[in-house]
Order: sequence, then C-alpha cells, then structure tokens
Amino acid sequence: GDSVTQMEGPVTLSEEAFLTINCTYTATGYPSLFWYVQYPGEGLQLLLKATKADDKGSDKGFEATYRKETTSFHLEKGSVQVSDSAVYFCALSDLNTGFQKLVFGTGTRLLVSP
Amino acid sequence: EAGVAQSPRYKIIEKRQSVAFWCNPISGHATLYWYQQILGQGPKLLIQFQNNGVVDDSQLPKDRFSAERLKGVDSTLKIQPAKLEDSAVYLCASSLGWGAANTEAFFGQGTRLTVV
Repeated sequence: GDSVTQMEGPVTLSEEAFLTINCTYTATGYPSLFWYVQYPGEGLQLLLKATKADDKGSDKGFEATYRKETTSFHLEKGSVQVSDSAVYFCALSDLNTGFQKLVFGTGTRLLVSP
Repeated sequence: EAGVAQSPRYKIIEKRQSVAFWCNPISGHATLYWYQQILGQGPKLLIQFQNNGVVDDSQLPKDRFSAERLKGVDSTLKIQPAKLEDSAVYLCASSLGWGAANTEAFFGQGTRLTVV
C-alpha cells in the first residue's frame, strides 16, 4: 500500500540555519505530494504541495521538489526562524482507488533556537 | 470561508465509558476524514466518507468505534467502550473530494481525548 517515510526528529537548529527534512514515498499510482505543518495546540495546515514530477511547491520560504526518479519530496528552507518551530508532516494523495486517499508520514519536529 | 469545526476540544473519560466527537466540514466538501493522532505519531486514517457513504474504514476498530455522516454534511465519531490506548487527538478533515487528488484537505483543531 501507499506509505510515506520521514526522517526522525527532533531537528534542532539555530536561527538562520539551513533546513532539510527528508521525505520519501511509496505509491501504486501517481500521487500528489504535500507538506503539512502543525503548530503547538493547533490542527494541521497545508504548507505546500506538488502534483506532478519536477513541480516545486513553495510558501513562506519553504520549498520542496517532486522527484519521481527518487520518489522523494524533501522540504528545505534557506534560513529558519524561531517561529518555524513546529511539527512537519509529509503526505501523499492517491486516486488509485478512485477516491482521494491521504496518507501521512510520522512527522518531524523542528526546534529553532534564537 | 469558515473552517472545519470540531467539538469538544478536550475530553477526559474513564475506561469503559463512551464518548462522541462532532465535526462540521467546510460547506461543499464531499470528502470527510477522521484521523487518530497518537502523541508523537502521524495521523492515522480511521474512516473516510464520500458524501454520506463510507469509502474506507479498513483501520477503524469496528468493535468499539463507529461513525456516521448525516445527510452528507456533519459527522460524529463514537467510541464505546473506551480503552486506555484510545487516548489521542482525533482530527477531522474535509476536501472537495472525487477526482481531485491535488486538492487540499482542511483540518479542524482536533479533539484531545484522555482515557484514564
């Protein structure tokens, strides 16, 4: 079945450091890929998405490129801020069964210190 | 646009008691999801509705969990009887649905359940 694998956390960085959170996926179809973010005490919210190979999703300085050849969708940011501290979830959406099926990774906690 | 509404935000119950959660999705969204998020883990899909029909409940513990979506709008998730391992955040989400793999799922704030 479909699955998403993320790097273990927590990831601890100083402000203005470069961020990479790795994500790889397994899917039977041709999925869309997402990064969701969860701030403390809040629900999940979409950060960015990509729907086909070589697409780059971006928002708030974060970006991720859909790499079909390596089945990856790594999240990057050039300079993190304290306010970026949150849990980040990689997810895929597959229409293989005819219905949108949304599958999440286990999440990666990011801690940014001043 | 109003978001996904869930209630209650928090619930503490004793094991073997029953509990129900309510979700009101975004207007016009055909697909509704219930996820269970145990502390430190990613969301796990419990049940997925397309309008008022169930399209995936393969991971729903049907001996104790049940869910319905009345008239294809609001939904309730019930646990009876609850076990200690049911302690988790229960997330409701909705999306446009059918044939739209690239559309965003919108999440509510979740209900944090503690079973003691």
